[in-house]
Amino acid sequence: EAQVTQNPRYLITVTGKKLTVTCSQNMNHEYMSWYRQDPGLGLRQIYYSMNVEVTDKGDVPEGYKVSRKEKRNFPLILESPSPNQTSLYFCASSPRDSLDVLTFGAGSRLTVL
Amino acid sequence: AQKITQTQPGMFVQEKEAVTLDCTYDTSDQSYGLFWYKQPSSGEMIFLIYQGSYDEQNATEGRYSLNFQKARKSANLVISASQLGDSAMYFCAIAGGFKTIFGAGTRLFVKA
Repeated sequence: EAQVTQNPRYLITVTGKKLTVTCSQNMNHEYMSWYRQDPGLGLRQIYYSMNVEVTDKGDVPEGYKVSRKEKRNFPLILESPSPNQTSLYFCASSPRDSLDVLTFGAGSRLTVL
Repeated sequence: AQKITQTQPGMFVQEKEAVTLDCTYDTSDQSYGLFWYKQPSSGEMIFLIYQGSYDEQNATEGRYSLNFQKARKSANLVISASQLGDSAMYFCAIAGGFKTIFGAGTRLFVKA
């Protein structure tokens, strides 16, 4: 089944404890992207990647890092999480770029205490 | 810079009636895409419909249609014959230049 898989789905952590949210797609998509969803703000783009080793900032990149060493994987790294990073995170992918339909992962709900 | 505005935080519609969800956008790009996604209470994001900026005909997908008025920069979603399963959050989005900007969303409630 064609899908985007995110892990963990739920996580409660404490301020400053580094964490990684993994994202993997099995559709050979070139484009991958991370979003955070907050009430009243919709989804906001954190980082995106056009292909292996090519990444760029979205609208809210502060406090996050990404890497794209393999085409299928696009992990989101929070080096030192803070409470304002408590949010619902979505990874998504598309065949080529943002003008293609995005396939979303199921979401990862992160709480930083 | 691109911007999306959804002015209706919440809407009610009677089952089997049609409903229009508003979306206006702003962009300086000549080539862009407009999307609508649905997010049911279970949380997943589901693609509904797409309109390219150069498409002259309004997009349709089953009960969904996109009322694209380029000069007014609007891309309203029309859902015909609403069903109880249409109760969800709906997001309008504009894409271009590798970025996607989402609106704040409209929560639709379908009444039996």
